Amino acid sequence: DIQMTQSPSSLSASIGDRVTITCRASQDIAKYLAWFQQKPGRAPKSLIYAASSLQSGVPSKFSGSGFGTDFTLTISSLQPEDFASYYCQQYNSYPYTFGQGTKLEIK
Amino acid sequence: EVQLVESGGGLVQPGGSLRLSCEASGFGLSNYDMHWVRQSTRKSLEWVSAIDTAGDTYYPGSVKGRFTITRETDTNSLHLQMNSLRAEDTAIYYCARVRSTGSMDVWGKGTTVTVSS
Repeated sequence: DIQMTQSPSSLSASIGDRVTITCRASQDIAKYLAWFQQKPGRAPKSLIYAASSLQSGVPSKFSGSGFGTDFTLTISSLQPEDFASYYCQQYNSYPYTFGQGTKLEIK
Repeated sequence: EVQLVESGGGLVQPGGSLRLSCEASGFGLSNYDMHWVRQSTRKSLEWVSAIDTAGDTYYPGSVKGRFTITRETDTNSLHLQMNSLRAEDTAIYYCARVRSTGSMDVWGKGTTVTVSS
């Protein structure tokens, strides 16, 4: 199985900050990497697919990059609604696997 | 409006069975690959099963042989039959649609399964 390792597991930031979350795959997954945002008590919401493509309706403050094994999610100009948990997921091959998550908290 | 609504969760004893359902609206479920993903209170998200447009099914080792994913065209519904349930199957279960790009773009709100005596 492909292991997905996210870092950091938690992150404190202030309103207006720019933050970056990284995700590393244990083997080459090409561009088949998605990012999700999840707020407490809610279902995950798709942000990015194919490593860098923005899901429809997602603001451009969210951006993704990477290919192969190393990927990043960057969120610019943090607003209160951005404080949530973020997960990466590989869909290059079954079984699909998720990272352990990054909890973004207000400093 | 494109929507997925799960149902069928509940409390079940270890070794028992449960059948989850996911009703789709706003799109034809048989035109998309569909997945189940679960999330326990202590863990991250865990992919549970998938059925593609051809009807082929996929499972991780943790549920293979115990869970079965099916699709019902007449009711535009997805199902997950879960047998031989264990305490570690306790989680919120989400169904998700997969778009042509391969990524999950629409999720339901989830249904909670608790396996306990």
